Formats: sequence, structure tokens, C-alpha cells
Amino acid sequence: DGGITQSPKYLFRKEGQNVTLSCEQNLNHDAMYWYRQDPGQGLRLIYYSQIVNDFQKGDIAEGYSVSREKKESFPLTVTSAQKNPTAFYLCASSTDREGTYGYTFGSGTRLTVV
Amino acid sequence: GQQLNQSPQSMFIQEGEDVSMNCTSSSIFNTWLWYKQDPGEGPVLLIALYKAGELTSNGRLTAQFGITRKDSFLNISASIPSDVGIYFCAGLPNTNAGKSTFGDGTTLTVKP
Repeated sequence: DGGITQSPKYLFRKEGQNVTLSCEQNLNHDAMYWYRQDPGQGLRLIYYSQIVNDFQKGDIAEGYSVSREKKESFPLTVTSAQKNPTAFYLCASSTDREGTYGYTFGSGTRLTVV
Repeated sequence: GQQLNQSPQSMFIQEGEDVSMNCTSSSIFNTWLWYKQDPGEGPVLLIALYKAGELTSNGRLTAQFGITRKDSFLNISASIPSDVGIYFCAGLPNTNAGKSTFGDGTTLTVKP
């Protein structure tokens, strides 16, 4: 079955450490996205990529980095520069570069800084 | 950037009741999308709307693309406990934005 897989589901990080969240899709989707969700809040866009080897900053890119070396993969690195990284991170993909037909989301990674 | 105002922020209803929520913007959108998020999971697309005035159903869910293209509505009829979750609206503007704008969500609680 095609889908979008995020791993791990839960992640604990010590302050000052970088951590990379994995996102893989086998849907042959062009575009991929990373969102952050805080408790009781909506989705805030971190980065998105419409094509391989290209990506754009979203609304809250500071302290995060991404790469898109393969169509299937869009990993997100949460760096030590991110002041408040504890959150639920969601990866998504879309068939076309605009997201016209909606997004397919992964199950999320819950990151906790200890 | 563009903002979507989604209301109400939360709803507490009795099982069997109908539910209405809406999303408004000061900008025009070409596409409206409605998602549902179960606790601890990613959102799932419920309904997509592409034309002003369009009314689309998915089971007990009905969504409408507002005539002004600046709003959209979602109705759930005869709610059941598994309707619990967060409902998000999202819109695509009439520019090559490359990304959807999301509302802040409506949290629905259904009491049996």
C-alpha cells in the first residue's frame, strides 16, 4: 500500500542536540511539506519542497533545516538553534506541486526536549 | 500572509446532534479543503471543493464553497462518538503559492 511514513513516532532529545526526523513517501508525489503543531493549536508550515533539490521556507523556518535529494524523502533536522522544539511534527505530500487535490499526511513524530 | 479564521474554536455536542463550522478569509481562494485529525495522528482529507457555490457530500459530512470564494462551511449530520477530533479547513489562493493556508481548527467533542 502506498503511503507516507514518519519515524520515529516518539523522540526525546537533550537540549543543545540536533535531531533529524524522517519522512518517506512511496506515492510518487511531487511536493512534500513539514508542519509543526503545538497543543491546542493549528498547523504551522516549516518548509516545503515542490521538486527534488529545491525547497522553500515556510512561516517558521528558523532553527530548522531540510533536504530533498530524492523524490521519496524529505528529512527535517531540528537544530539546537530552535528555541522551543518540543512539538508534534507532521510531514505531508501532494500529488501536484500546488497541493490542489489536498495533502496526504504522515502519522507524525512527537519530539520532546528533556 | 493570508489568514483563515475558523470558527467555532471548539464545540461540545450531544450524540445525534448536527454540527456546523465555517472558515472565512479576507482573500479569495480557488480551492477549499476540509480535514479531520484524530488524536495523535495526522489529518485526513475529508472533502475538496473547487467551484464557488459547490456543495459536496461525503457520508454524513457536507461542505460548501462560499459564493464570494472567501468562505467555506462544513456540516456534520447526526453526530456519533467517532466524529470526535479536530477539523481543519485549508485554502489554496488564486496564485501559485505552492502551499495551502490552514485554519486553526475546530475541536469537536461528542457526548454519548
